[in-house]
Amino acid sequence: EDKVVQSPLSLVVHEGDTVTLNCSYEVTNFRSLLWYKQEKKAPTFLFMLTSSGIEKKSGRLSSILDKKELFSILNITATQTGDSAIYLCAVGSSNTGKLIFGQGTTLQVKP
Amino acid sequence: DAEITQSPRHKITETGRQVTLACHQTWNHNNMFWYRQDLGHGLRLIHYSYGVHDTNKGEVSDGYSVSRSNTEDLPLTLESAASSQTSVYFCASRSSSNTGELFFGEGSRLTVL
Repeated sequence: EDKVVQSPLSLVVHEGDTVTLNCSYEVTNFRSLLWYKQEKKAPTFLFMLTSSGIEKKSGRLSSILDKKELFSILNITATQTGDSAIYLCAVGSSNTGKLIFGQGTTLQVKP
Repeated sequence: DAEITQSPRHKITETGRQVTLACHQTWNHNNMFWYRQDLGHGLRLIHYSYGVHDTNKGEVSDGYSVSRSNTEDLPLTLESAASSQTSVYFCASRSSSNTGELFFGEGSRLTVL
């Protein structure tokens, strides 16, 4: 059965800290791994990763995929209170086209 | 701009009633999905569709049904609502290529009393 596991489930940091969120997966015929940020409403897209070792970066956020060890990390440097959210990892299979989500990591950034 | 809309955004119903949540997208995406989100579980897939007249069960499909009569709409029906179906429901769509991001609706919060 396809599975996506995120860790930690929740995290509290102070502004300026750097955080690393983890996502491991077991999916048949891996196609892509996506990261989403969810605040009050619908998840918003951050990154899509398909190749190992290639870092995707957007401002203070970056992510990388390891297809051999079956995991991805999402790094946030110099955190701000606006980074407080649930971060979701999802993995897609080329067999089915559906995305399987992990449980999410709830990040709280304190001033 | 293309978008995906859900209605109603909030609904309270009673156990045993039939409820339908609407989802409409204007991207002309073939792939559409329904997820529910509960604390500690992330997003769990209920049903999905790859095109008109195609529907498939996800990991938590019991008690739910969908129909796809056109490209734009994928309504989700709870045949006989149960308290365990109190949740936030998200509809999403994606192009047929099976790559790229999912586009989400704003969510429908359902409370079953």
